[in-house]
Amino acid sequence: GAGVSQSPSNKVTEKGKDVELRCDPISGHTALYWYRQSLGQGLEFLIYFQGNSAPDKSGLPSDRFSAERTGGSVSTLTIQRTQQEDSAVYLCASSPSGRGWETQYFGPGTRLLVL
Amino acid sequence: DQQVKQNSPSLSVQEGRISILNCDYTNSMFDYFLWYKKYPAEGPTFLISISSIKDKNEDGRFTVFLNKSAKHLSLHIVPSQPGDSAVYFCAAKEGFQKLVFGTGTRLLVSP
Repeated sequence: GAGVSQSPSNKVTEKGKDVELRCDPISGHTALYWYRQSLGQGLEFLIYFQGNSAPDKSGLPSDRFSAERTGGSVSTLTIQRTQQEDSAVYLCASSPSGRGWETQYFGPGTRLLVL
Repeated sequence: DQQVKQNSPSLSVQEGRISILNCDYTNSMFDYFLWYKKYPAEGPTFLISISSIKDKNEDGRFTVFLNKSAKHLSLHIVPSQPGDSAVYFCAAKEGFQKLVFGTGTRLLVSP
């Protein structure tokens, strides 16, 4: 079946502009996660959606970052007033239920470059 | 505070030999551990996992060992193949919580 898809695959923007990144999780997966990987770094957790529960936003680095998940499926990560340090690969993952002994499946990522 | 650590940024191994990738963690509440493999320009791909009730899980050429008392896990690849060359991330989670990733180890398997 279809895996996690993300769009765009690449995004170049100017400092100060807003960007939106989209994630389509695997159909039927109720848990959705956003991570980012900056150059030379590991994967950094950003936000986690589980069903209808309030999202875990503990990883968002600043209030310029926000995310929504509409209808329990598609998610959009928005970065307002982008800064050069926001340049990274933004990865989305989904899992069936978010329970402990469960694998997260990743999309290919969106490469964001802020000039 | 790095809860999951991969202290070796890179590892080089000859084809056919064993690759051993190591990972240490600090949070004793972690109950599930995973290894992901990442090729350039692709998202991480799940490789193998182990729950805290086991000390070994094997899948073909890949075996993960968990030593809870030492808060250490390792991934063994035998025999290593050039196609195994990638960045390997160790990850851990506690219950419903998010995955916490290490910084990755770049494995290079030479022919």
